[in-house]
Amino acid sequence: AQTVTQSQPEMSVQEAETVTLSCTYDTSESDYYLFWYKQPPSRQMILVIRQEAYKQQNATENRFSVNFQKAAKSFSLKISDSQLGDAAMYFCAPGLSNSNSGYALNFGKGTSLLVTP
Amino acid sequence: DVKVTQSSRYLVKRTGEKVFLECVQDMDHENMFWYRQDPGLGLRLIYFSYDVKMKEKGDIPEGYSVSREKKERFSLILESASTNQTSMYLCASRRGGASETQYFGPGTRLLVL
Repeated sequence: AQTVTQSQPEMSVQEAETVTLSCTYDTSESDYYLFWYKQPPSRQMILVIRQEAYKQQNATENRFSVNFQKAAKSFSLKISDSQLGDAAMYFCAPGLSNSNSGYALNFGKGTSLLVTP
Repeated sequence: DVKVTQSSRYLVKRTGEKVFLECVQDMDHENMFWYRQDPGLGLRLIYFSYDVKMKEKGDIPEGYSVSREKKERFSLILESASTNQTSMYLCASRRGGASETQYFGPGTRLLVL
């Protein structure tokens, strides 16, 4: 599997504040897709946001946005106006080709986000 | 809404038992995946299938096999369960290629004693 690095195992943010979760990956491809998934305590994985690598514009979904730096192979997630319900494990998941699994998602190890009142 | 269901939320098995984990999706997706999730390791791909009766090994296929006899159902089989297979198992499905969203089931937490 190709390398996906989430360097922050845990992060903490106060309600209404902004937090950024980092993700870097390794690929030689030029066209691919990147995803952030959220896994709350219920364990159900939920798509947060996705980005197409050929698009220069960063994706935005309500309070969630990404900072995609293609040359640096960086794909960070920014959560604005954090809410208690944002507390979860967040996984960065680029869809990168590899010899075994085609374009199955490659997951980082996750960042556990704690939201404090 | 896409729905991916897994046969059990919790399962306890003994070493050496044959274990079947079932996954069903209701959206006619071509692709289905099995991951295992362990603390500090993220999700690792075990097997995936892009069509009925087709399967491909993922990153950690050792000790597992799969079956896809019908498009909506993808089974993960532990031929002889071992304690190091104690884990959370997540099934996912996806329509089409890499640009599409993967939808996940609720997970099965397996304990092998």
